[in-house]
Amino acid sequence: DAKTTQPPSMDCAEGRAANLPCNHSTISGNEYVYWYRQIHSQGPQYIIHGLKNNETNEMASLIITEDRKSSTLILPHATLRDTAVYYCIVRAYAGGTSYGKLTFGQGTILTVHP
Amino acid sequence: ETGVTQTPRHLVMGMTNKKSLKCEQHLGHNAMYWYKQSAKKPLELMFVYSLEERVENNSVPSRFSPECPNSSHLFLHLHTLQPEDSALYLCASSQGPTGVTEAFFGQGTRLTVV
Repeated sequence: DAKTTQPPSMDCAEGRAANLPCNHSTISGNEYVYWYRQIHSQGPQYIIHGLKNNETNEMASLIITEDRKSSTLILPHATLRDTAVYYCIVRAYAGGTSYGKLTFGQGTILTVHP
Repeated sequence: ETGVTQTPRHLVMGMTNKKSLKCEQHLGHNAMYWYKQSAKKPLELMFVYSLEERVENNSVPSRFSPECPNSSHLFLHLHTLQPEDSALYLCASSQGPTGVTEAFFGQGTRLTVV
């Protein structure tokens, strides 16, 4: 699976949009971009994933560049409860021996302040 | 509530004890995982089970012994652990091995070895 690079930490004011970047310059054509977050001492929570098109759900939007070498997770109106570690993960189609396993990096610590 | 339940939430055990961690999922998934998260380290994948068969063992010491009696339950049997095994142990499940689906995590078991 391709490696990802994320800033170690970011701050965001409550009510503003939080834009979390991720670089994945070695991504392959069959690899998806996944975002998870982990609130302190809890299990990771799935946020969103995409292949090449931009995606949006009730939690966030995912913007993937045309060359797919980077992406941005957008939390449109950040709240204090969005303070967490955000992980960007690139994973191949879950066939063969890759199953659904995820390889986590250090992630970005997002702090939302009042 | 993610549909993946882990018990106990907290466990303190001595180095000579034997204990078991339990994970249960009611999502109809057929792949289950154990991850370990030590302080200030990324999550590390320990074991992968698909269709109740262990398909991956990431060089985990034999003092950790997984068991998957059916597709809904996963155990991690612990014996003669070391203090450095103290960590958050997370269980996850997904609809593997085919298809691209997200993994759902339990809340974890916080293990302290004394």
